[in-house]
Order: sequence, then C-alpha cells, then structure tokens
Amino acid sequence: AQSVSQHNHHVILSEAASLELGCNYSYGGTVNLFWYVQYPGQHLQLLLKYFSGDPLVKGIKGFEAEFIKSKFSFNLRKPSVQWSDTAEYFCAVNARGNEKLTFGTGTRLTIIP
Amino acid sequence: NAGVTQTPKFQVLKTGQSMTLQCAQDMNHEYMSWYRQDPGMGLRLIHYSVGAGITDQGEVPNGYNVSRSTTEDFPLRLLSAAPSQTSVYFCASSYYETPNTEAFFGQGTRLTVV
Repeated sequence: AQSVSQHNHHVILSEAASLELGCNYSYGGTVNLFWYVQYPGQHLQLLLKYFSGDPLVKGIKGFEAEFIKSKFSFNLRKPSVQWSDTAEYFCAVNARGNEKLTFGTGTRLTIIP
Repeated sequence: NAGVTQTPKFQVLKTGQSMTLQCAQDMNHEYMSWYRQDPGMGLRLIHYSVGAGITDQGEVPNGYNVSRSTTEDFPLRLLSAAPSQTSVYFCASSYYETPNTEAFFGQGTRLTVV
C-alpha cells in the first residue's frame, strides 16, 4: 500500500515570499501524483497533477510541482505567494491503474499581508 | 453540470441516531468514494465503489455502510452515530480504469455527534 508524508504541518509566510511544500510518497510501483487545495470552508480543488512525461508540471494560480522519482518526492512551489493562497494543501497519490487515493496529512498555509 | 453534490452541508446528531449522507454525481463516473477529514489526519478512505452494485471497504469502514444502486448515487449510512464520527465527510468521483483520470470532490458534510 502507498503512503504519503507531508512534513510541513503549518507554514506561515509573508506576501511575495516564495513557497515550497514538501511531499514524499512510499510505493514501489508507478504512481499518479496530485496536489489539492482546500480554501477555508470549501471543498478540495485540484491544483495540479502528474501522470507521466515532463516531471515539472504547472497548475492553476501559478503553482508548479516537480516529480523527482529518485527521491519519491513531489514538492509544490510558487515563486511569490498572495494572501489569497491561505488554505490547506494536500498531496495525494494513487497507484497507476488503482483509483484509490492516499492523502497526506495536509499543510496549513497562512499568508500574512 | 453540477459535478458532485452532497447533502446536507451540516448535520448535528445525537449519539445512537442514524442518518444517511447523500452523494450524487452527473459525470457518469464509475468510481465513487467517501472520505472523512479530521484535523492532522488528512483524508481517510471509508468506502468506495467501482460501479453499480459493487462496493468495498477503505481504510476506516467501521460504523458506516454504503450501497450503490445506480451509477449516479452513493449514499453513506451511519447506523448508530458515535462522537468519534464527528468529522467532515467528502464524497468523490472519477472514471474507473481510465488512464490519467482525476477525482472530483463534493462540497462536504460537516457532521457533529453529541
């Protein structure tokens, strides 16, 4: 079974700072990788996804993530955060061909104006 | 296109009461699932279904029942609510056995058991 680790539980940044949220997974086979965002009081929305091909994927709202297979990592980045990025961010993985998603525990991001 | 619709959005139950959380999707997705979200624990899979008439247990199934009589609907039943079931519940759907598919989530149901 796969597992996902998000080591940053709560990150506080000032506006315009750069962001990197860590995500590591454990699984021996081929995986699909996702980052979801949950704004306060709302449901999960997909930020970006990786299935195959270019390991650097770009998502909505200026976010990007890089899949490094050798490190089993899929870190989320944004060069300059905004107050509106305040939310909880979840990394998720499923094994290729298996729709069951496994989520990390989430990282709460607080942006200070 | 409504996507994934969950009802109700909020619910308060007394210990021992039963209720059904509704989930419907209009995207003709075969795969549907229920998660619960608890602080510091992320989302954990309760039950899932790969098509009408087929359901299976996830990571935390105890205390919950599901059925899938149609492709569109996947209700989650709490037979005898317990305070430990206080949580936010999310329903999700996606295509099944389709490459590069992604899950779509409902708005969530915030359940409090007192």
